[in-house]
Parts: sequence; C-alpha cells; structure tokens
Amino acid sequence: GQQVMQIPQYQHVQEGEDFTTYCNSSTTLSNIQWYKQRPGGHPVFLIQLVKSGEVKKQKRLTFQFGEAKKNSSLHITATQTTDVGTYFCAGGLDTGNQFYFGTGTSLTVIP
Amino acid sequence: SAVISQKPSRDICQRGTSLTIQCQVDSQVTMMFWYRQQPGQSLTLIATANQGSEATYESGFVIDKFPISRPNLTFSTLTVSNMSPEDSSIYLCSVGNANQPQHFGDGTRLSIL
Repeated sequence: GQQVMQIPQYQHVQEGEDFTTYCNSSTTLSNIQWYKQRPGGHPVFLIQLVKSGEVKKQKRLTFQFGEAKKNSSLHITATQTTDVGTYFCAGGLDTGNQFYFGTGTSLTVIP
Repeated sequence: SAVISQKPSRDICQRGTSLTIQCQVDSQVTMMFWYRQQPGQSLTLIATANQGSEATYESGFVIDKFPISRPNLTFSTLTVSNMSPEDSSIYLCSVGNANQPQHFGDGTRLSIL
C-alpha cells in the first residue's frame, strides 16, 4: 500500500537554529501538501507543491518537491518557539481522491 | 475556506458501546474524509464518505466497525461500533480532494474505558 515516510521523527533545536524534515513516498505523487499540527490542535494546511522540482517559500519556511515527485522537504530558517508542532507531508495520487499523510516530524524549539 | 464543525469534541465511553461523530460543513463539498489519529501518531485515512453511495474504506477498516453516512453534500457521520480501548484516538473529518488543501474539523477525542 501507499507509504509516506518522514525523517526525523523528532527534532529538538535551540531557538534560532535551522530545521529540516524530509518526506519520502513509495510511489509517485501528483502533488504534495504540508500541514502543521500544534499540540492539541488539528492539522492546518501550509502549502501545496505540484510541479517536479518546485520550490516555494513562506517567510522562513522553504518547501521543495523532488524531481521524481516522490520526495519533498520543509526547511525552517532560524526557528522560533512559535514553530513548535508536528509537521506532516501528505501526498495525493493521480488516481483517486485520497490523501496519504506522512509519519510526521515533531519539532521542539528550546528557548 | 470551508468551516467544519465536528461533534462531540470529546467523549469517554464504555467498552462495547458505540458512538456517532457528526461533521457539518458550511458549504457543499464533494469529498469528505474520515481520519483516525492515535496518540503521538500520524493521520490514517479510514474512509471516503460518498454522497448517495456507500463509503469507500481503506485497507484495515470495515463498514461493520465504522459505518459512515453521507446524506447530503454538507454533512457526514462516522460511528465507532462496539468500542474497545484500542479505539481510543482522535477522529477527524476533513474536506478537500487530492488536488486541493484539506481542511479539518477540530476532531473528536475519544477515550474508551
């Protein structure tokens, strides 16, 4: 079945340090989305990438979609305590309307 | 974006009982999904709620355990049947499809004693 893995599972960083989470799919994706889930909250949409090799930026966040459309990354520059949460990638397939969430990376930012 | 209301927000249930979770959207949507998120885990898709037809279940989930209704384009229910402690989880509904952002309800935090 469809599998979307993320590494690392957990990451602790000092405030101001950079952070990267990697997302890998077992199959080619039509697009990839990133979500952030704060403790006790529900996932909130961050961004969608569609094109092979696409790179998008949102302030301190940089998102990349791999050339083969099977992997993606999220990089946060100079983390802040407000970045705390779990970051999930989610992939859509060309067939069907389902979305498959990655295993998630939990980010802790130490002030 | 769609506003999704999910009820109840949390519940504590006895094993062997059933609970129905409601998901109401403020606009008509084609696709509605139900997910389960076990403590500290990712979201696992249970099923796609189809309007006017039976839900489409993912591997490992069956209709007898998780019956779903979708009577119209703004509403769906998920029932967790014959509950056991292993069903303790957060259940989330969402709207969207594979090419659009998914918007989630606040979730139902379910604990089974």
